Amino acid sequence: NAGVTQTPKFQVLKTGQSMTLQCAQDMNHNSMYWYRQDPGMGLRLIYYSASEGTTDKGEVPNGYNVSRLNKREFSLRLESAAPSQTSVYFCASSEARGSGNTIYFGEGSWLTVV
Amino acid sequence: AQSVTQLGSHVSVSEGALVLLRCNYSSSVPPYLFWYVQYPNQGLQLLLKYTSAATLVKGINGFEAEFKKSETSFHLTKPSAHMSDAAEYFCAVSEDKLVFGAGTILRVKS
Repeated sequence: NAGVTQTPKFQVLKTGQSMTLQCAQDMNHNSMYWYRQDPGMGLRLIYYSASEGTTDKGEVPNGYNVSRLNKREFSLRLESAAPSQTSVYFCASSEARGSGNTIYFGEGSWLTVV
Repeated sequence: AQSVTQLGSHVSVSEGALVLLRCNYSSSVPPYLFWYVQYPNQGLQLLLKYTSAATLVKGINGFEAEFKKSETSFHLTKPSAHMSDAAEYFCAVSEDKLVFGAGTILRVKS
């Protein structure tokens, strides 16, 4: 029972390099999310996709792009990594977007930008 | 706008003692409220959620939380702490999107 799977788990990048975080869910959920977690700040929403074919900015979208490849997959791309993007990234999904829907999280991706 | 305040970034209790993690929320509409737990190097796992069906919500691992509208609070409790409860706990409120508090790290002393 995989749930939400994200790769890679750990990555070190040099400033200016690009990379893509991959995420897939097997729960047939419509909505998917990317969060970042920084100490003392909880989780902040970067981008979300309410349904296949749509994406929207969250609280902290600058420096990121996303692609909802199909219903299962939602990727996050850093075009030109900066040290401020050093963080733990979580992909998540829910049956639908909105109040009361439980969001299920992946295991996280630890990204360091040097 | 919705927001969440978790009082105390670190809480330390002895094994067997009461666990109380505090959460206050702000919401312009009747909220949905959640508690998540995060064990080291893992993702977030849902402990419990409030959806207006009952003010006292029971979750996994012996945790429960009580919704108090007059106090805009949703504090998390467990009667007797276990070593395995050591983790970071996040309160979250949802109107149309989920907003998290800053988290409380629970330490359990033997």
